Amino acid sequence: KNQVEQSPQSLIILEGKNCTLQCNYTVSPFSNLRWYKQDTGRGPVSLTIMTFSENTKSNGRYTATLDADTKQSSLHITASQLSDSASYICVVSAGGGSYIPTFGRGTSLIVHP
Amino acid sequence: ETGVTQTPRHLVMGMTNKKSLKCEQHLGHNAMYWYKQSAKKPLELMFVYSLEERVENNSVPSRFSPECPNSSHLFLHLHTLQPEDSALYLCASSQQIPTGASTDTQYFGPGTRLTVL
Repeated sequence: KNQVEQSPQSLIILEGKNCTLQCNYTVSPFSNLRWYKQDTGRGPVSLTIMTFSENTKSNGRYTATLDADTKQSSLHITASQLSDSASYICVVSAGGGSYIPTFGRGTSLIVHP
Repeated sequence: ETGVTQTPRHLVMGMTNKKSLKCEQHLGHNAMYWYKQSAKKPLELMFVYSLEERVENNSVPSRFSPECPNSSHLFLHLHTLQPEDSALYLCASSQQIPTGASTDTQYFGPGTRLTVL
């Protein structure tokens, strides 16, 4: 069964600090992995997408890494800002004709001043 | 703004009511989706439409009835819902249905917060 596990479930950090969110998956065959940011009361917004051959992808202060061998991904946020407070969702899509992605439960990040 | 709008943003309904959720995308995309997001649970894909044809019904109860009159509009008709159906309902669109190695991104609307009493 395809699964995506995210950790931690929630995280509180001070403004200006860095943090790393984790995503482990068992989706097979692997096609791509996305990280989304979802602000409270809003829909998810895509941050990064990585395919099998990509190890890292950056989007401003967000850097995602992918290890396809260990089936792990991380999202690193540098110099956090109050606006980074949101839920971060890892989504893995399978290949082989399937188009139904597998979503993680998300990590809730709170950035305090 | 993502180019995907949803109305209403909030809806409270009784179990015997009939209501509809509306989604409109202004991106020229060919695929549209309905998702359900419950507290502490991953997003659940409900329906997928490609060029106005339903291509996926992910074991959704018949009290949820989708309608896609054209590639820009998507509706979710609700009737005789249960309290456990209370959730955030998200609409999304993408250029095409992502299959194989496609990296097409889905653009989500802001969602409709549904409460069933």
